[in-house]
Amino acid sequence: GAVVSQHPSWVICKSGTSVKIECRSLDFQATTMFWYRQFPKQSLMLMATSNEGSKATYEQGVEKDKFLINHASLTLSTLTVTSAHPEDSSFYICSAHTGTSGMSEQYFGPGTRLTVT
Amino acid sequence: QKEVEQNSGPLSVPEGAIASLNCTYSDRGSQSFFWYRQYSGKSPELIMFIYSNGDKEDGRFTAQLNKASQYVSLLIRDSQPSDSATYLCAVNMFGKLVFGAGTILRVKS
Repeated sequence: GAVVSQHPSWVICKSGTSVKIECRSLDFQATTMFWYRQFPKQSLMLMATSNEGSKATYEQGVEKDKFLINHASLTLSTLTVTSAHPEDSSFYICSAHTGTSGMSEQYFGPGTRLTVT
Repeated sequence: QKEVEQNSGPLSVPEGAIASLNCTYSDRGSQSFFWYRQYSGKSPELIMFIYSNGDKEDGRFTAQLNKASQYVSLLIRDSQPSDSATYLCAVNMFGKLVFGAGTILRVKS
């Protein structure tokens, strides 16, 4: 149980284009999903918290107009990187709570490796 | 002071030994703590979580929590080469997971 999928697993795009990444909870409903970014040899950095049916909450320093998050249903959240630049190249990982409280554990998707050329 | 601190390592242990991974955190009000394992190029995999002071055992893994000292640790018994990975400590702070930088563990056969 508690499986989270992401699509695509890797993507290469040209500078200036937009890329959409999907995150799905396959066997549970997730009212809250999280988006992280991880640069090589660094830890995970939370970008935003995505709540079903409401606007995402972005961490300080993360541009909400550049990283568009849509939590359309209890099993799907999407992250769109708009006007991508080479410095946006990173490993993007989503996660989902299995419960509704902060005590419940998060399960991570397999990640999406984005390369912007 | 970082919110969650881990020794970056690498921590090298021989196969069959006990590996001890440590983590300290800054928020005294934190209630839930997690250990994740991350292989190179992969996303984190939950190993254990702990909420109460004391020890929690699951197979070869034992998590230890001391809230008074703001310290959480992970012990891996009978370490195997397949345990070689980066171990991330995460603390739930205000509904969000804050991660440490991770400790690289190398188990040598």
